[in-house]
Parts: sequence; structure tokens; C-alpha cells
Amino acid sequence: GAVVSQHPSRVICKSGTSVKIECRSLDFQATTMFWYRQFPKQSLMLMATSNEGSKATYEQGVEKDKFLINHASLTLSTLTVTSAHPEDSSFYICSAAGTDIYEQYFGPGTRLTVT
Amino acid sequence: AQSVTQLDSQVPVFEEAPVELRCNYSSSVSVYLFWYVQYPNQGLQLLLKYLSGSTLVESINGFEAEFNKSQTSFHLRKPSVHISDTAEYFCAGYSSGAGSYQLTFGKGTKLSVIP
Repeated sequence: GAVVSQHPSRVICKSGTSVKIECRSLDFQATTMFWYRQFPKQSLMLMATSNEGSKATYEQGVEKDKFLINHASLTLSTLTVTSAHPEDSSFYICSAAGTDIYEQYFGPGTRLTVT
Repeated sequence: AQSVTQLDSQVPVFEEAPVELRCNYSSSVSVYLFWYVQYPNQGLQLLLKYLSGSTLVESINGFEAEFNKSQTSFHLRKPSVHISDTAEYFCAGYSSGAGSYQLTFGKGTKLSVIP
């Protein structure tokens, strides 16, 4: 089956610094990648959708200047949390879809802790 | 807009007993529906999906779900649970035909299997 990886799996950073999270589709070309955020004991909330080679589409309430998304190739998307604050601490999950946009494959998630 | 409702936040059940996790959706158009499972500190794994065709779909580990259009439900069932089934389960769905590819998740149901 389709495999999506994320790196790092856990990261701790200091307040004010930036953190980059990578999402890779290992065995298929991901035309579209999605970034989700999951707070403790809650469901996944879509942050943004990105298509290879174009700007990401952000959901309402998500700051595009704070959460920078780059989808430069068909196998890699990155999420950079800029000037991180403790309230940005969360579990970030990416997913990728190939030719069938309705079938998303999820990465294992990245636990971000901002101190 | 598509919304997905999981009525039970937690479901405790004894090992080898049957279980049903409820999911209802709202939509005026046809839907694609999914069940995902999430183990602690991990990403989501696709359990099963309904796209079209037979309304009863099955997973490889004994779970099944039935798409019921009249009741707008997609409940997940297993006749006999194992300890290893302890996890969080998310129902999710799309609205097709509206040009939207946003996957909407329910709030999740935590299944606890008691030895």
C-alpha cells in the first residue's frame, strides 16, 4: 500500500524559533498533500491543502504567514511553523493523495512541543 | 456542508464481546465514507471505506461497516473484539459533487477493550 512518512516524529523547540516538518510519499506521486492538526483528545482539523507547484490553500483561521507550506515536488511537502509559541504545541499529521483525490494516505504524525 | 457525527466519545467493551461504533453523516449529495484507526501517538490508518457499490464493506481484521442512506449512517461493527483493537476510531467523509475535497472527521470514539 501507499506509504507516507513524516520527519521528525518528535521535536521540542524554544519559543520564537522555527520548526520544519517534512512529509514524503515514499512509493507514489502525491499530486495533493494535506496538513492537519490534532489537539489532545480531539479530532483532526484540516489546516491547508497543497498541490505540487502551486500555493497552498489555507483553511479559515489558519495563518498562512505562520504556517508556511511548500510542495515543491510530487513526493515532498514541508510545513514550517515560524516563530513558534507554546500554543502551537500539537500533533501535526500530513496526508497525501495521488490520482484519486478521495483516497488520502496519512503519515505517522509529528509531535511538536514548544517550550 | 458535510458533517460527520460520532455519538460516543468512549466505548468500553469486554474482550470477545461485539461492538458497534456509531457514525452519522449529513449531506444532500452522495458521499464517500471512511473509518480510520489511530493508535496512541501514531497517525491514522485506513480501516475501511465506502465509495460506491455494495453497502457492506469489510476490513481484513474483522471490522465491517454498512452504508445506510435512509438513516444517513455508517456504523462500524465487529462481532468479537480483541485487546489489540483498543484504539481511537475516526469516521470521516467527503461531499462529492461540490468541488470540495475536504475530508471531514468526526470527533472520534475511543474503544477500550477490557480483558
